[in-house]
Amino acid sequence: KAGVTQTPRYLIKTRGQQVTLSCSPISGHRSVSWYQQTPGQGLQFLFEYFSETQRNKGNFPGRFSGRQFSNSRSEMNVSTLELGDSALYLCASSPYGLGPDTQYFGPGTRLTVL
Amino acid sequence: AQSVAQPEDQVNVAEGNPLTVKCTYSVSGNPYLFWYVQYPNRGLQFLLKYITGDNLVKGSYGFEAEFNKSQTSFHLKKPSALVSDSALYFCAVRDAVGSNSGYALNFGKGTSLLVTP
Repeated sequence: KAGVTQTPRYLIKTRGQQVTLSCSPISGHRSVSWYQQTPGQGLQFLFEYFSETQRNKGNFPGRFSGRQFSNSRSEMNVSTLELGDSALYLCASSPYGLGPDTQYFGPGTRLTVL
Repeated sequence: AQSVAQPEDQVNVAEGNPLTVKCTYSVSGNPYLFWYVQYPNRGLQFLLKYITGDNLVKGSYGFEAEFNKSQTSFHLKKPSALVSDSALYFCAVRDAVGSNSGYALNFGKGTSLLVTP
């Protein structure tokens, strides 16, 4: 099976712009989660989607949003970019996102905000 | 609330020696515990997980982890380290209570493992 794919792999934006990142989960996986990884804060949970519904949300401002499509693909959007949004954004998928399901991660999108 | 602590920022070990990367956790219920590894400019790769049952969990690439409920620990181990094991290791926890209400893992800060020849 193909793994989790994320596009693009690298992005450079300027402050105030918005950005959309895309994630395709492993075939058959219906739960998709997003995480932000920075040197200072480590790995932080952004949100999780299942069957096109946001089921869980981390402690991030409303500038961070996401959605999931009927084929389980997911996108996340960051509006009004700030310098502190520079990070590696990781997408992960699991079959149902329940109990001890294992999450499998994509390679990430490296976002740099100038 | 659930949290994980990895007390060591870096672990250095010589190739061929055993390695241990430490992790302690805090959850209100029973924990689901995970170890992931991250190589430079890569995503996280799943190594192993503890659900319930045997306290010694075997995973990928010869890694294993020992669950200790009394010490609330889940240390990652390998009997003989390889240079190629050098990477960033993350411990993560998920509380079994509420685990059916949407997936979120709490990660530790990570431990950088350096295996020298």
